[in-house]
Amino acid sequence: QTVVTQEPSLTVSPGGTVTLTCASSTGVVTSGYYPNWFQQKPGQAPRALIYSTSNKHSWTPARFSGSLLGGKAALTLSGVQPEDEAEYYCLLYYGGAPNWVFGGGTKLTVL
Amino acid sequence: EVQLVESGGGLIQPGGSLRLSCAASGFIVSSNYMSWVRQAPGKGLEWVSVIYSGGSTYYADSVKGRFTISRDNPKNTLYLQMNSLRAEDTAVYYCARVLNTVTDLDSWGQGTLVTVSS
Repeated sequence: QTVVTQEPSLTVSPGGTVTLTCASSTGVVTSGYYPNWFQQKPGQAPRALIYSTSNKHSWTPARFSGSLLGGKAALTLSGVQPEDEAEYYCLLYYGGAPNWVFGGGTKLTVL
Repeated sequence: EVQLVESGGGLIQPGGSLRLSCAASGFIVSSNYMSWVRQAPGKGLEWVSVIYSGGSTYYADSVKGRFTISRDNPKNTLYLQMNSLRAEDTAVYYCARVLNTVTDLDSWGQGTLVTVSS
């Protein structure tokens, strides 16, 4: 069974920078996994932020960026705002079967 | 404006069946990949199923053989038929449009809660 792993929780100060990562139990995450990042606030549906590693939607704030880092997918928030406090999920695509697997989520606290 | 509205959730006994609907507006369901994602209470997101624009369907192992994804083109609506429901199927079920790439679930509905309990 494929497992996608994220940091369970991270804390960042307002105005700071934080990087969330997304690892695959199958090995190195590449662009072929089409890493995707979502933000979810309590009581709300998830909102897409980043698709295909580093592409932003029109509504994605400029302070969010996606990349591949050390064999993982990464989401970096630069100049964090209080409203960025939320749960963040990554999604990877595994071809063949095919199969989509979400990470367990990272709870980001802005403190 | 793209909009997705799920319905059909509720309380159902173990072993029962339920059909979820996802009414779409602002785009054509059959021209896009469409997906179902669920979230158990207090838990993370779990991918459930996808239907490609060409009609191919795929399922998570946890629901394979029990759930069926389909669409009604004239009604522009996506469905999820859920049979042999188990307690572990209890979750909010979201439908989502897949846009730019296979993981780009760019638009989501508000979700519908399915509770499987006796």
